[in-house]
Formats: sequence, C-alpha cells, structure tokens
Amino acid sequence: QPVLTQSPSASASLGASVKLTCTLSSGHSTYAIAWHQQQPEKGPRYLMKVNSDGSHTKGDGIPERFSGSSSGAERYLTISSLQSEDEADYYCQTWGTGIRVFGGGTKLTVL
Amino acid sequence: EVHLLESGGGLVQPGGSLRLSCAASGLTLSTYAMSWVRQAPGKGLQWVATFSAGGGSTYYADSVKGRFTISRDDSKNTLYLQMSSLRAEDTALYYCAKDLGGGNRYFHYWGQGTLVTVSS
Repeated sequence: QPVLTQSPSASASLGASVKLTCTLSSGHSTYAIAWHQQQPEKGPRYLMKVNSDGSHTKGDGIPERFSGSSSGAERYLTISSLQSEDEADYYCQTWGTGIRVFGGGTKLTVL
Repeated sequence: EVHLLESGGGLVQPGGSLRLSCAASGLTLSTYAMSWVRQAPGKGLQWVATFSAGGGSTYYADSVKGRFTISRDDSKNTLYLQMSSLRAEDTALYYCAKDLGGGNRYFHYWGQGTLVTVSS
C-alpha cells in the first residue's frame, strides 16, 4: 500500500512563491495524488489532482496561482503570489487496494 | 452546486453508539463512491470508511473495522456511519467526502464536519 510523506511545516513571505512536496513510497512512484487545503477552523477543500506526468486537474474556483507538477516519486503544489488566506494546512491523498491514504500534512505559514 | 451536510455528532460515553448522517444535495450519491474521514483534535486527516458507487462494496480502516458500519439510503440521498463500541480515540471531527468520479478515488467535495466526543 502507498505511503505519503510531507514535511510538517513550510513558510514563505507574502507575495512570494512556495513549493510543497508530497513523496510517494517505493514502488508507488506512478500514482497520482490529490492536494487538499484546510484553512483554520474550516473543512478541507479539494485543490487538484496531480498525475505522474505532471498534468493536473484543478477544482472549481481554484485560482491560477495554484499549480501542480511531478518529478519521479514526488508530487508538488506550487502557490505563487502568496496571500494571507493561503496560510493553511495542505494534505496530499491517494489510494490503495480498499483504502484511502493521506500524508501527514504541511502547515504553511505566510510571513 | 454540491453540498454535503453532516449531522448526528455529540457527546457519548465510552462503549456507546452514535449514528452520523451526511445529507447530499446537488448530486446523486449513488453515482459516486462516498467516504467518511475524521480529524482528531490538533491532528491530521484519517480515512475511516468508503461505500462504493455501485453499493456492492464497503471498506474500513483497521482502527474501526468491526465497530463502524457505512451505509447509504438512495431514497434520501444520505450517507450514514453507524459507530458502536466507541473509544476515547474515536473523538474527532467527522467529515463526509465525495469521490472525483470516473474511477478516480480522490476526494473532490467535503462537508463541514460533525464533532464526536467520546468521554465519561
């Protein structure tokens, strides 16, 4: 079954860009993943699905400054022109046989 | 527009039972796989259970297997989670979530959650 690994925290300045990473476990490098955002005191929101070739499918209303990419077993979420409302927890998610899997989440701080 | 509205959470004693509901609007539940995901206070997201689109299959996390039952009422367009033998570690905000569809097993829409507290 796949395991997803994320750094616990990240930070970047207002107006800058940040790239968050989700790493797939050995043997699962071709899996797609989804990125979800959870702002403080809110439910999660689907951002996009990122395929192994780097193509991505965004959810309704997700701004252009959110984008996805891939390299090997790593899946990325890049947020450009950071805004204060981007301060949130970001989770990656995939699936295995009969299960759904989440990464541990990355807490993004906008400085 | 898709809306998922959870209800049924509350305070329950260890060993007790509770049934959560997830009422859907803007979509036909039977068309999609639907899941429950929980989040313990200050922790990350944890998948709990999934009901397949066709309704023929259910899947559970090891931590709830044998204690929780996921089901769906198509006439009410509502998803349920029957929880029994509850433990303190089941305390969490419980979300229902809809799959992307087309065999894509990625959560696409989420509800706002209902809080379950297991305590004496």
